[in-house]
Amino acid sequence: AQSVTQLDSHVSVSEGTPVLLRCNYSSSYSPSLFWYVQHPNKGLQLLLKYTSAATLVKGINGFEAEFKKSETSFHLTKPSAHMSDAAEYFCVVSVMNTGFQKLVFGTGTRLLVSP
Amino acid sequence: NAGVTQTPKFRVLKTGQSMTLLCAQDMNHEYMYWYRQDPGMGLRLIHYSVGEGTTAKGEVPDGYNVSRLKKQNFLLGLESAAPSQTSVYFCASSRDRENSPLHFGNGTRLTVT
Repeated sequence: AQSVTQLDSHVSVSEGTPVLLRCNYSSSYSPSLFWYVQHPNKGLQLLLKYTSAATLVKGINGFEAEFKKSETSFHLTKPSAHMSDAAEYFCVVSVMNTGFQKLVFGTGTRLLVSP
Repeated sequence: NAGVTQTPKFRVLKTGQSMTLLCAQDMNHEYMYWYRQDPGMGLRLIHYSVGEGTTAKGEVPDGYNVSRLKKQNFLLGLESAAPSQTSVYFCASSRDRENSPLHFGNGTRLTVT
């Protein structure tokens, strides 16, 4: 069965320092993977997606993620955190279920950014 | 361009009461979804629709019903609310089934006492 594990429930960084949010997946097939961001009292917004093209995926707001099949990982990074990056981030794996794409969400990582 | 709009934003129900959550999208998307979000559990799919007039069960459908009478609207009903249905509910839509991104509404916070 497909699943996704976000290794940290909370990550704290200082503004201007690098961000690393970790995600491991389990999939029987070549997966499609996504990162979504949720700001307080808002819906989720797509940051980036991997669909078996380049293993390094660039997203919005300076975020990127690298698909590593050997490690079954899809970690999200950003070179320099901004205060506006404080939010909850969800790693998501896509599963094709009887012809329908089903998304399996991780439990989320809350990113805290201090001045 | 409004995207996905959910109403209401907040609601408090007593156990046993009923209500309907409305989701409307203006992007002409075929696929629509209802999720619930609970602390530490990510998002879980309640029901979804692959087009006007169709509905299907997700992973946690019990206690909920849905309807998609018009392509742009997806309604989620609670016939007899229970405290376990206290949650934040999100509606989403997508263009197609092949890895197209989901567009989410801003959520409905429901409390059942």
